[in-house]
Amino acid sequence: ETGVTQTPRHLVMGMTNKKSLKCEQHLGHNAMYWYKQSAKKPLELMFVYSLEERVENNSVPSRFSPECPNSSHLFLHLHTLQPEDSALYLCASSQDLRQLYHGYTFGSGTRLTVV
Amino acid sequence: GEDVEQSLFLSVREGDSSVINCTYTDSSSTYLYWYKQEPGAGLQLLTYIFSNMDMKQDQRLTVLLNKKDKHLSLRIADTQTGDSAIYFCALITGGGNKLTFGTGTQLKVEL
Repeated sequence: ETGVTQTPRHLVMGMTNKKSLKCEQHLGHNAMYWYKQSAKKPLELMFVYSLEERVENNSVPSRFSPECPNSSHLFLHLHTLQPEDSALYLCASSQDLRQLYHGYTFGSGTRLTVV
Repeated sequence: GEDVEQSLFLSVREGDSSVINCTYTDSSSTYLYWYKQEPGAGLQLLTYIFSNMDMKQDQRLTVLLNKKDKHLSLRIADTQTGDSAIYFCALITGGGNKLTFGTGTQLKVEL
């Protein structure tokens, strides 16, 4: 295990469903991130949280709604998604926003398919 | 914006050396990283180099940094089938606040 756990590993949802992705880390990190990885596209940074406060939101559609209730947990709430939202969603954490000596620690991702 | 470019594919024979290249535009990064992504998995940090170094060797991995040309490379000696994966370079951007990743290079190792 990498220290960052994502659940579920796979998710299939209809366009009218509401679901949530969960990310958990017990590394004592203070910053957490959501990335979207689509086939043949670069990694897209979606959201950045530092000490439970959102510090970056990269023009992500409102059908994606993040939540960080504490520094160990990060959620991505999904509703009325489109088929083009099908992708691998990766969570990562780092010691702090500016403490990047060890880079990011990634979870294994949630493979999302929107039908 | 920050551009980090990699070639998309590389195919090598088992036992040969692989060299994966990365070019970038923002030269302010203190550290530069190489990540490996195996099928169906997240990204795993392989190695990193401090920006004041030219080379770092770690077992079968050699990282070369040419700051003048803004070029980073990863050499894998004696490439094995288990090295088949996507390799991403990454550097610190955004004034030190985040990692920006390259486009990824898919390495295929053939027998």
